[in-house]
Amino acid sequence: EVQLVESGGGLVKPGGSLRLSCAASGFTFSSYSMNWVRQAPGKGLEWVSSISSSSSYIYYADSVKGRFTISRDNAKNSLYLQMNSLRAEDTAVYYCARPILWGDAFDIWGQGTMVTVSS
Amino acid sequence: SSELTQDPAVSVALGQTVRITCQGDSLRSYYASWYQQKPGQAPVLVIYGKNNRPSGIPDRFSGSSSGNTASLTITGAQAEDEADYYCNSRDSSGNPWVFGGGTKLTVL
Repeated sequence: EVQLVESGGGLVKPGGSLRLSCAASGFTFSSYSMNWVRQAPGKGLEWVSSISSSSSYIYYADSVKGRFTISRDNAKNSLYLQMNSLRAEDTAVYYCARPILWGDAFDIWGQGTMVTVSS
Repeated sequence: SSELTQDPAVSVALGQTVRITCQGDSLRSYYASWYQQKPGQAPVLVIYGKNNRPSGIPDRFSGSSSGNTASLTITGAQAEDEADYYCNSRDSSGNPWVFGGGTKLTVL
């Protein structure tokens, strides 16, 4: 079964750090670019960051640029998001999402992990 | 970065047809994809490309596009179709991806 499982969310104080992980299974992880998408409580989906299959190309939304770092370990079938200098507005459910190979859509999503930034 | 604009809310009578639209400059270059999200659940892809449905998505869901507008049509809406719907496409101005703000569909 193709699956993405996020972990690492929790409660953190403003200015703090957190590292999210996404474990992939059931497909050839190293063939796919991967993404993080977040959803603040009661709000819409927001693309956060993308990383190409070999980590050669990395992109960030302006809202997280300079604070978040995406990475991957193809040997461990894992995707990561290091989040530093966290703000209240980073409070959200964070999903990892796999795009269709050679396509323009996300066909596989994890269940999400909640990040709460609050003092 | 580009923006995709959706109506915040749409309603449809049970069994009737409803169209949910998404507007944005990136849609002149890229197809939209559509996601259904129910409360407490992850988004589910329902339409991608010109008009493709992933396995398991009912054929009452269809997609179309014209100019800078993409549409998701549900023909014969069912009670279980009540959900939030998001459009998404490649971004034609810098970032790889952009999402619409979402449309809350109510089935009456």
